[in-house]
Amino acid sequence: DAGVIQSPRHEVTEMGQEVTLRCKPISGHNSLFWYRQTMMRGLELLIYFNNNVPIDDSGMPEDRFSAKMPNASFSTLKIQPSEPRDSAVYFCASTLRDRDLEDTQYFGPGTRLTVL
Amino acid sequence: RKEVEQDPGPFNVPEGATVAFNCTYSNSASQSFFWYRQDCRKEPKLLMSVYSSGNEDGRFTAQLNRASQYISLLIRDSKLSDSATYLCVVNDMRFGAGTRLTVKP
Repeated sequence: DAGVIQSPRHEVTEMGQEVTLRCKPISGHNSLFWYRQTMMRGLELLIYFNNNVPIDDSGMPEDRFSAKMPNASFSTLKIQPSEPRDSAVYFCASTLRDRDLEDTQYFGPGTRLTVL
Repeated sequence: RKEVEQDPGPFNVPEGATVAFNCTYSNSASQSFFWYRQDCRKEPKLLMSVYSSGNEDGRFTAQLNRASQYISLLIRDSKLSDSATYLCVVNDMRFGAGTRLTVKP
């Protein structure tokens, strides 16, 4: 199994530019999560999808952030316009939500974003 | 108050020591609990689930105290390779800030 795939692994951009982060969850998983990790705030849940439908986006910082999941095998997190305070590591995770199984999350390697 | 709180450490212990971390949570209706491990510049990975009755996996023991709303992780006979940040997770997606452990020779 390839695991959760994220791209790009590193992104350096200038303030005001649009940034798109991509995630391919593990095949067969039905829930997908986007997290942001910084030294100051730790690992924060931004949004999660269940069966491609956004369930909880209360963690999305502001309107500059948007996330989509057009199908079961792909999701994007977009920041427009980007700001220096958005610099962080963005993780995508997926899991198979089943009442009989533990909801173990499998994380991708993360995208390290630097906004200058 | 944060949903999930952990002592950030760092905990610096010698090899072979026993070390314990606690994690408190605010939502009394929480149902699922986990410990994840994160190595430097890597993604978090599941270490173990936490069951109501407590559970053990080799040198690692996890316990849940619903009355006081905390979970704990005990590491016995610590190894150099145990050095990492340990994150507690409540209800699948609420992560604590992590406790950093360094095991020294």
